[in-house]
Amino acid sequence: NAGVTQTPKFRILKIGQSMTLQCAQDMNHNYMYWYRQDPGMGLKLIYYSVGAGITDKGEVPNGYNVSRSTTEDFPLRLELAAPSQTSVYFCASSPGTGPFIVTGNTIYFGEGSWLTVV
Amino acid sequence: AQKITQTQPGMFVQEKEAVTLDCTYDTSDQSYGLFWYKQPSSGEMIFLIYQGSYDEQNATEGRYSLNFQKARKSANLVISASQLGDSAMYFCAMSPDRGSTLGRLYFGRGTQLTVWP
Repeated sequence: NAGVTQTPKFRILKIGQSMTLQCAQDMNHNYMYWYRQDPGMGLKLIYYSVGAGITDKGEVPNGYNVSRSTTEDFPLRLELAAPSQTSVYFCASSPGTGPFIVTGNTIYFGEGSWLTVV
Repeated sequence: AQKITQTQPGMFVQEKEAVTLDCTYDTSDQSYGLFWYKQPSSGEMIFLIYQGSYDEQNATEGRYSLNFQKARKSANLVISASQLGDSAMYFCAMSPDRGSTLGRLYFGRGTQLTVWP
């Protein structure tokens, strides 16, 4: 059971370049998320999706785009990379089938993608 | 708006001793979930424990327990019998427990725990 898989694990980008971080989950989860973690900080939500075809902004969406064409995949697109986007990116998923209080659902994280923009 | 505060940037504990990591939160939601995650130096996020806002009993998972004081809006993590492998960054997080905001986690800045022999 692979869980949440992110690729690539490490990437160096030049300022102004674009790239896509891939995220796939094999748990048939409805909800998927992208977080970023800056050095010495907690994670902050970039975008999330409650199902195929539905996405919404989180706390820090500027400079990013997402799409959700299938339940399994939730890619994050960085357009015109900037040094401020140097961070560790985490994809996560959850069943989202009911309140945690009822279902005891939890949120599963991928292993992270380290991105440096120079 | 949701806010999580972890006031201890670093904590030190001797092996086999217990340690408490502090977490306070602020929310206007009536129903929410509180989470603790462990992040070792390898970087992955490891789920430790969950507490629902309506749970009357404190959550426990093996050596981890969550000291939940709703009126004080605190959700401290207690690790009993610390082990060297517990050395890591620990994050407190909260999620509204309703509708499409389910699973939108708000994180604190973390506490770096060091366990020494």
